[in-house]
Amino acid sequence: EPEVTQTPSHQVTQMGQEVILRCVPISNHLYFYWYRQILGQKVEFLVSFYNNEISEKSEIFDDQFSVERPDGSNFTLKIRSTKLEDSAMYFCASRQAIRPNYGYTFGSGTRLTVV
Amino acid sequence: AQKITQTQPGMFVQEKEAVTLDCTYDTSDPSYGLFWYKQPSSGEMIFLIYQGSYDQQNATEGRYSLNFQKARKSANLVISASQLGDSAMYFCAMREGPASGGYNKLIFGAGTRLAVHP
Repeated sequence: EPEVTQTPSHQVTQMGQEVILRCVPISNHLYFYWYRQILGQKVEFLVSFYNNEISEKSEIFDDQFSVERPDGSNFTLKIRSTKLEDSAMYFCASRQAIRPNYGYTFGSGTRLTVV
Repeated sequence: AQKITQTQPGMFVQEKEAVTLDCTYDTSDPSYGLFWYKQPSSGEMIFLIYQGSYDQQNATEGRYSLNFQKARKSANLVISASQLGDSAMYFCAMREGPASGGYNKLIFGAGTRLAVHP
């Protein structure tokens, strides 16, 4: 079964530092997403990405956040200057349009802790 | 207004019994999809079952079935013959818009924590 791979699984960073969360989506998927889940809370949409550009972003996805697909395989989320409230689990997901029933495959997540 | 509502923050069930986890949704789009995901304590999101708004029959996947009542805008998950390994957080989610709109995001409910007792 193809998987979405996220690295690292855990990251601890100092407030104000930049972090890059990495994702390798399933190879024939065309649509990519980042979600976050603050501990014990609901899963929140951050951004969707298609054809090398952002399709939609939420209010959470402010100027501190950016995404890119630098080499055709990796899909990264960068937080420029982390805040304490950025501590959360970050999930990457990918999807292909052909099989919508099972489209959204999630990675195992990166747990980000900002201290 | 909440798009996805899960009114049960926690549920428990005896092993081998069936349990229903509630989900109601709100959309004006005639084309949408409803998903259930399981999140065990390890944190990953595991896809369980999908129901399209135009599907005539309720979806089933092994021990999971989706009780889809379109007029009531509900999409309850039924787990039959509960197992200890079913203890987890369960999320209902909705995709608004047609399945062919691949960029359409999922909107999640707050989740229900299920505990299966031996």
